[in-house]
Amino acid sequence: QVQLVESGGGVVQPGRSLRLSCAASGFSFSTNGMHWVRQAPGKGLEWVGLIWYDGSNKNYADSVKGRFTISRDNSKNTLYLQMNSLRAEDTAVYYCVVQQLVLDYWGQGTLVTVSS
Amino acid sequence: EIVLTQSPGTLSLSPGERATLSCRASQSVSSSFLAWYQQKPGQAPRLLIYGASSRATGIPDRFSGSGSGTDFTLTISRLEPEDFAVYYCQQYGSSSWTFGQGTKVEIK
Repeated sequence: QVQLVESGGGVVQPGRSLRLSCAASGFSFSTNGMHWVRQAPGKGLEWVGLIWYDGSNKNYADSVKGRFTISRDNSKNTLYLQMNSLRAEDTAVYYCVVQQLVLDYWGQGTLVTVSS
Repeated sequence: EIVLTQSPGTLSLSPGERATLSCRASQSVSSSFLAWYQQKPGQAPRLLIYGASSRATGIPDRFSGSGSGTDFTLTISRLEPEDFAVYYCQQYGSSSWTFGQGTKVEIK
């Protein structure tokens, strides 16, 4: 059974950094692309970015390009999202998602609040 | 970046009725790389349809997807109480994946 557990969310001041983690189990982590998707309170879904199964390629939404970095450790079955220069508009629930066909399985999300 | 526009914003229907949700793309979505997701309050989204018309594992056959190019449709043939939720379309035919803004299906 696919399980994705995000952690690392919390309250952070504007301009500061935060790193999210996603622990994966129940599938072959090292052979699947992984994504981060976020959802601001009461709003729709926004794709943040993806990383290929081996980490060799990454793509980001324009809204986070240059500030956010996705990485993975296949030996630990863990996905990461390093978020720098955080802004109020980055406040959202961040979901870790595994790509087998598309965005097939989602974690329950971790809330990031950017506020002074 | 491909922009997806969903309509209507809200659909008010009764259980047993048919729901038709629209998703229009600002440019052609290659090879029908279009998916649909369902999200209920307090829950993560769930994949319903991929490749514009293929149902994901475990999705009931009352859900169907159709369309190509720039116009896509999600149809729920007979609404069950558990189908009242928000539905999002999403394209994955380019290096930048995007979602529509969502359609809320509410009980009339």
